[in-house]
Amino acid sequence: QKEVEQNSGPLSVPEGAIASLNCTYSDRGSQSFFWYRQYSGKSPELIMFIYSNGDKEDGRFTAQLNKASQYVSLLIRDSQPSDSATYLCAVSRGNEKLTFGTGTRLTIIP
Amino acid sequence: SAVISQKPSRDICQRGTSLTIQCQVDSQVTMMFWYRQQPGQSLTLIATANQGSEATYESGFVIDKFPISRPNLTFSTLTVSNMSPEDSSIYLCSVRSGFNTGELFFGEGSRLTVL
Repeated sequence: QKEVEQNSGPLSVPEGAIASLNCTYSDRGSQSFFWYRQYSGKSPELIMFIYSNGDKEDGRFTAQLNKASQYVSLLIRDSQPSDSATYLCAVSRGNEKLTFGTGTRLTIIP
Repeated sequence: SAVISQKPSRDICQRGTSLTIQCQVDSQVTMMFWYRQQPGQSLTLIATANQGSEATYESGFVIDKFPISRPNLTFSTLTVSNMSPEDSSIYLCSVRSGFNTGELFFGEGSRLTVL
């Protein structure tokens, strides 16, 4: 079992709809959870981070964390073509290394 | 946020040669992380570079193949030794934020192609 797993996709979502990205992790000691967006040919950039169970909203993005189920998700509301990218889930035990998931390729269809 | 400069940004290398990638950060950081991203894949951590001590390598990566230097708190190098086509990847230098977010900042990456 991989430490961090994501649906590889590709995931296609119509413009204006909600995109839902999922991630599960195996290390129960994980404390910090991150969502990165990576455009083709570019380095990853942080979208959201979450530490506590529940939801965290930032603009069109909502991160959801359930530590009991070892599950973290990212919702993108009102999806735009510019949201088309690969989304990487990452987890960390503390202020050390981040372990990345396999990534989900998202395509927003105009 | 941290500004990270990497060079070279890309290179084409011959099989059996070695290449050193440089990473410069605009602020002092305790740990620097070297990741590899193979074509179409996610990021895999190669090693954590600590100033003043030997790097800590992840499973599957060894010092002889990926020697790392960390001479001060703002600079590190990663060497890819005795390269083969399987080493064709993007190599990314990164640092953690010192603030509560703890987010990881990345350099622009070094894209290596081994022929």
